[in-house]
Amino acid sequence: SYVLTQPPSVSVAPGQTARITCGGNNIGSKSVHWYQQKPGQAPVLVVYDDSDRPSGIPERFSGSNSGNTATLTISRVEAGDEADYYCQVWDSSSDHQGYVFGTGTKVTVL
Amino acid sequence: EVQLVESGGGLVKPGGSLRLSCAASGFTFSSYSMNWVRQAPGKGLEWVSSISSSSSYIYYADSVKGRFTISRDNAKNSLYLQMNSLRAEDTAVYYCARETEPGPFLDYWGQGTLVTVSS
Repeated sequence: SYVLTQPPSVSVAPGQTARITCGGNNIGSKSVHWYQQKPGQAPVLVVYDDSDRPSGIPERFSGSNSGNTATLTISRVEAGDEADYYCQVWDSSSDHQGYVFGTGTKVTVL
Repeated sequence: EVQLVESGGGLVKPGGSLRLSCAASGFTFSSYSMNWVRQAPGKGLEWVSSISSSSSYIYYADSVKGRFTISRDNAKNSLYLQMNSLRAEDTAVYYCARETEPGPFLDYWGQGTLVTVSS
């Protein structure tokens, strides 16, 4: 089945830029979606279809997807951005259909 | 306002059964596919099952296939997950989530219900 690989952790200073990668075989051919999850809370969609933002999500959150890597970029990082982030695709291969989530990345704001 | 409220979690012995429910409001439930996603303590997100708006299409993760059954009642705006032959590794917070296409992706999530499988 399809596998999505993320770095376990990313650390960033306030005001700087955090980049979270999501690796998968030819992931550029798929639509990638990103979720933010704070401790004790349900996940929240922050980017869908590679680079679109739901209403209410700050413009500081952006996404890109090409080749074997998708990236979530958080600009001008704030303390409130500290959370776990997960990428997600829909796998429609011949032997499996379903959602696939990345391994998750913990973003720490220094 | 879209709301998803899960219930039915609790402590169950290995081999036992449990039925989770998800009450939906604030949107036309019968127009959306719905999903269950779980998260073991301290672990990442794991998709469990998906059901289309009219129940025509149902998918399961390999880890629960043959043991879990997803269903819905559009008249009651409710989603269900019947969990049988439970194992310790099924211990997790179970979230119901609304699906939006194309994508697909999960645009609204409930707060989750904890299932603990232990003797």
